[in-house]
Amino acid sequence: QSALTQPRSVSGSPGQSVSISCTGSSRDVGAYNFVSWYQQHPGKAPKLIIFDVTKRPSGVPDRFSGSKSGNTASLTISGLQVEDEADYFCCSHAGSYTLGVFGGGTTLTVL
Amino acid sequence: DVQLVESGGGLIQPGGSLRLSCAASGFTFTPYAMNWVRQAPGKGLEWVSFVSSSSGIIFYADSVKGRFTISRDNAKKSLFLQMNSLRVEDTAVYYCARLSSRGAATFDYWGQGTLVTVSS
Repeated sequence: QSALTQPRSVSGSPGQSVSISCTGSSRDVGAYNFVSWYQQHPGKAPKLIIFDVTKRPSGVPDRFSGSKSGNTASLTISGLQVEDEADYFCCSHAGSYTLGVFGGGTTLTVL
Repeated sequence: DVQLVESGGGLIQPGGSLRLSCAASGFTFTPYAMNWVRQAPGKGLEWVSFVSSSSGIIFYADSVKGRFTISRDNAKKSLFLQMNSLRVEDTAVYYCARLSSRGAATFDYWGQGTLVTVSS
């Protein structure tokens, strides 16, 4: 069982917006503003799309945004595109001696 | 371009050993802390181990502590993971991942992964 809880799947139509939640605890998501999100297409390596809860690496479209409230972080993808269909994982800092705890992943289907 | 290329995976019996390697290119390897992260078939990601830039600080997940050893060779721009006493539950794709200098719990580049299958 993963340390952070994500929905197994979400779906949306092209042009719509979807949000993916990532629920942790007061020891990880709730304690630090260090949540990152990764996009993974089948058979490919994960790609960083959000870090420090809300920041985007260069080259990531501003359709991707992150937020956090209490022990739950969220990834929102607006203006869905077919190529956004992928698995999405969250990760949170969780204190000393561990570099991060991950969520179980969410499969996004663009209908 | 930043590239991380893992190798060394394969089929191994329970109790056996494997050594994974990760070759880095396209960036100055020495200043960056590095990690191994694994993904069991159909499952989520699990952080496995961390090594600081100078190898002075090393961490392991509880699930591999005492069995796995992380190391690096900055001159050869390489990261390693020695895996001993392998268990069926260690079956996974193993990724090497660079720790970003910009944020905690931020892995900014990943390799394509190498599959380790532990089975009799």
